[in-house]
Amino acid sequence: GQSLEQPSEVTAVEGAIVQMNCTYQTSGFYGLSWYQQHDGGAPTFLSYNALDGLEETGRFSSFLSRSDSYGYLLLQELQMKDSASYFCAVRDHNTGKLIFGQGTTLQVKP
Amino acid sequence: DGGITQSPKYLFRKEGQNVTLSCEQNLNHDAMYWYRQDPGQGLRLIYYSQIVNDFQKGDIAEGYSVSREKKESFPLTVTSAQKNPTAFYLCASSMRAGQSDEQFFGPGTRLTVL
Repeated sequence: GQSLEQPSEVTAVEGAIVQMNCTYQTSGFYGLSWYQQHDGGAPTFLSYNALDGLEETGRFSSFLSRSDSYGYLLLQELQMKDSASYFCAVRDHNTGKLIFGQGTTLQVKP
Repeated sequence: DGGITQSPKYLFRKEGQNVTLSCEQNLNHDAMYWYRQDPGQGLRLIYYSQIVNDFQKGDIAEGYSVSREKKESFPLTVTSAQKNPTAFYLCASSMRAGQSDEQFFGPGTRLTVL
């Protein structure tokens, strides 16, 4: 089976850097995805890592270590609008469906 | 503009009534999904469909039913058999299940059963 673990909450101040971790257990691994969801809104796709290393897109970076079954999402120069929930997800090897973690709620304070 | 739509945004029903949630996409995506989200929780898969006229149960299918008669449409019926139907329901689509991890989500329907 598949399972993912994420810390439930993280708090940081505007302008700072925050790292949100995700550990996973899978029977087969294709890659790790990240989604952002603002309160009451729809999740939006942020990034996908299939290979080890860091992928950067503007203020957002995502890291993967397949040997450690671990990844993280890094947000730099935090802005108030970054306050949201962030979900990691992996694809089920047999069915192809995405399995989501419980999400980390990020609160950015002034 | 291409996208995925859900209607209505808010829905109220009396206990014991069936209710159907609409989901339409014009992205030409093969795969469509229904998720349920409870407050402070992650997304749980109810049903998914990889092609027209075919669908599979997700992790919490009991009390729900779907149809996929057209590529663009994937309606979800919440039946009276669903014990705790009040939740936020999200529909999503992707190129094809298993080929892409990028799913596009609709704005969601918040269902309240009174």
